[in-house]
Amino acid sequence: NAGVMQNPRHLVRRRGQEARLRCSPMKGHSHVYWYRQLPEEGLKFMVYLQKENIIDESGMPKERFSAEFPKEGPSILRIQQVVRGDSAAYFCASSPLGDRNNSPLHFGNGTRLTVT
Amino acid sequence: DAKTTQPPSMDCAEGRAANLPCNHSTISGNEYVYWYRQIHSQGPQYIIHGLKNNETNEMASLIITEDRKSSTLILPHATLRDTAVYYCIVRVRTGTASKLTFGTGTRLQVTL
Repeated sequence: NAGVMQNPRHLVRRRGQEARLRCSPMKGHSHVYWYRQLPEEGLKFMVYLQKENIIDESGMPKERFSAEFPKEGPSILRIQQVVRGDSAAYFCASSPLGDRNNSPLHFGNGTRLTVT
Repeated sequence: DAKTTQPPSMDCAEGRAANLPCNHSTISGNEYVYWYRQIHSQGPQYIIHGLKNNETNEMASLIITEDRKSSTLILPHATLRDTAVYYCIVRVRTGTASKLTFGTGTRLQVTL
C-alpha cells in the first residue's frame, strides 16, 4: 500500500515563474491537506480539500496561491509568480474520512521549492 | 485553539525509555491528543493518538492524565533512529474541517 506520493521532490524556479506541486493521496483517501514549512520553522496549515471541494483555505495566502483536488488525478498546489519567500518545503497529507472520525493524517515526504 | 506546551529539547540514552511530556490545559472534552514526529527533513510521521484512555501501539505508548490537561509519549527503548522533533497536537474541530496545528515540538536527541 503506497503512501502519500508527492512530486517533484525538488523544484527550482526563477522569480516570476509558476510552480506546480502534485500530491497523490493514499489509496482510498479522499481528503487532502497541504502544509508549508519554512526553513527552521514548524509546519503551517494551508488548505484542506475533499474531492472537487475546498473545505478550509484559512491558511492560504490570498494571492498567487491556489489548490485543487479534481475528481480524477492528484491534488495540485499552484503558486503563480513565485518570489524568494515562497522557498520552503510543501507537505501534503491525506486521510480516509476527513474530520468525522479523527482519522490520522498521513504525510508525504514533501516538495522542496527553491526560488532563485 | 487548545494550545500545547512542550520542552524545546530532550536527551535520551539509547536503550532507555524516552518520556516526552506535553501540557494541554485548555483541551476540550471532545478533542484528541495526537503525536507526530519529523525526522530530519522528511514528512511528519504519525505515532499515536488518544482521547482519555491510555493507548499503546507498536511504536509508543500514550499516557493521558485523568483531567486530560497533560500527556506523556513513551518510547520504551529509544534508538538512534528515534532522534527527531516530536509534536504534540490537540486536534481542534472547527465547523466541518479539523486540521492539525503544529507547534515547535520537542527535539529529542538519542545518544550512545
